[in-house]
Amino acid sequence: NAGVMQNPRHLVRRRGQEARLRCSPMKGHSHVYWYRQLPEEGLKFMVYLQKENIIDESGMPKERFSAEFPKEGPSILRIQQVVRGDSAAYFCASSPRTHTDTQYFGPGTRLTVL
Amino acid sequence: KQEVTQIPAALSVPEGENLVLNCSFTDSAIYNLQWFRQDPGKGLTSLLLIQSSQREQTSGRLNASLDKSSGRSTLYIAASQPGDSATYLCAVRGSGGGADGLTFGKGTHLIIQP
Repeated sequence: NAGVMQNPRHLVRRRGQEARLRCSPMKGHSHVYWYRQLPEEGLKFMVYLQKENIIDESGMPKERFSAEFPKEGPSILRIQQVVRGDSAAYFCASSPRTHTDTQYFGPGTRLTVL
Repeated sequence: KQEVTQIPAALSVPEGENLVLNCSFTDSAIYNLQWFRQDPGKGLTSLLLIQSSQREQTSGRLNASLDKSSGRSTLYIAASQPGDSATYLCAVRGSGGGADGLTFGKGTHLIIQP
């Protein structure tokens, strides 16, 4: 059973461009979470999704950031008009159910904004 | 708002020693607590998950305890090895109506000297 997959592993964008980060959860997992790890800071929750639904986006910046988890295909975290402060490691996690289940993390996407 | 604190921030010990990492959280309304390790530039590996109704979990040389009422957890590592060198993260899943994601501490950076 393959683990959580994220791509790309490294992404470089110039200010003002768009960044798209992809996450394929573990097989059989229908719950996806996105986290951001800024340099020298801890991991911060961004958004929690189930198939075709955003359940909790309380940690997501109000502007430029969006997430989806379509019926088919990976979950996408989209950052529009990136700024240098968006440079961070973005991690995706998945779980089979919710609340009481272990979250399994992917290797992360390291975004660098020039 | 849930806050998670890990002490110490860094720890360096000789190989073979037993050691304890500490984690405290401010809101006892949690579903579970999870310990992870993170290697430099890598993702998170789940070590142990303790449900709110449990007192401890064990896996190999690792033992994690949970005292929910006092908001504390400890991770005990027996007979430490150089391969245990990593950053250890503690995270809680709240049940009090806050964000659905995990709230992380900033981690303990552990170095095991050969």
